[in-house]
Amino acid sequence: AQSVAQPEDQVNVAEGNPLTVKCTYSVSGNPYLFWYVQYPNRGLQFLLKYITGDNLVKGSYGFEAEFNKSQTSFHLKKPSALVSDSALYFCAVRDNDYKLSFGAGTTVTVRA
Amino acid sequence: TAGITQAPTSQILAAGRSMTLRCTQDMRHNAMYWYRQDLGLGLRLIHYSNTAGTTGKGEVPDGYSVSRANTDDFPLTLASAVPSQTSVYFCASRAETEAFFGQGTRLTVV
Repeated sequence: AQSVAQPEDQVNVAEGNPLTVKCTYSVSGNPYLFWYVQYPNRGLQFLLKYITGDNLVKGSYGFEAEFNKSQTSFHLKKPSALVSDSALYFCAVRDNDYKLSFGAGTTVTVRA
Repeated sequence: TAGITQAPTSQILAAGRSMTLRCTQDMRHNAMYWYRQDLGLGLRLIHYSNTAGTTGKGEVPDGYSVSRANTDDFPLTLASAVPSQTSVYFCASRAETEAFFGQGTRLTVV
């Protein structure tokens, strides 16, 4: 069965600094990986996905993620964080039946 | 475009009572899902439906049932609620590779 792990419960950065949210995965076969963001009292919003192709995937709101097959990682990154990026971030992997398995989530706090 | 609409937004339910959480989408997506979100556990799949007329069990199906009579609606029913079902419930639908989520229903079972 596929799974993802987000090793950090919380990430705290200063505004303007780089932001990285870590995710590692375990799948049999080709991985289909996703990042979602959840703002307080809201549903999840799609940020980006890796299906195939370039290892660096660009998504919404200036986020990008780097797929690393040798390290089985799919870390989310943003070069310069904003206070408005403070939210809960989820990494997810899709199985062959298109069901998503989510990580436990990482709370990002960007301080002004 | 409304996307996915969930109702109610929140509910307090007495243990032992039944309740149906409603989910409606207007995107004509074939696949729909119900997840529950609990602190520290992320989102866990309860039930899913790949197309109207079919349903399947997810990771945590016990105590829940679903139906998919048509493409747009995917209600989740708790037949006899227990406190451990206190959670935030999200409905989602899928287009190609991307999933779209509703705003969630916050359920408290007391």
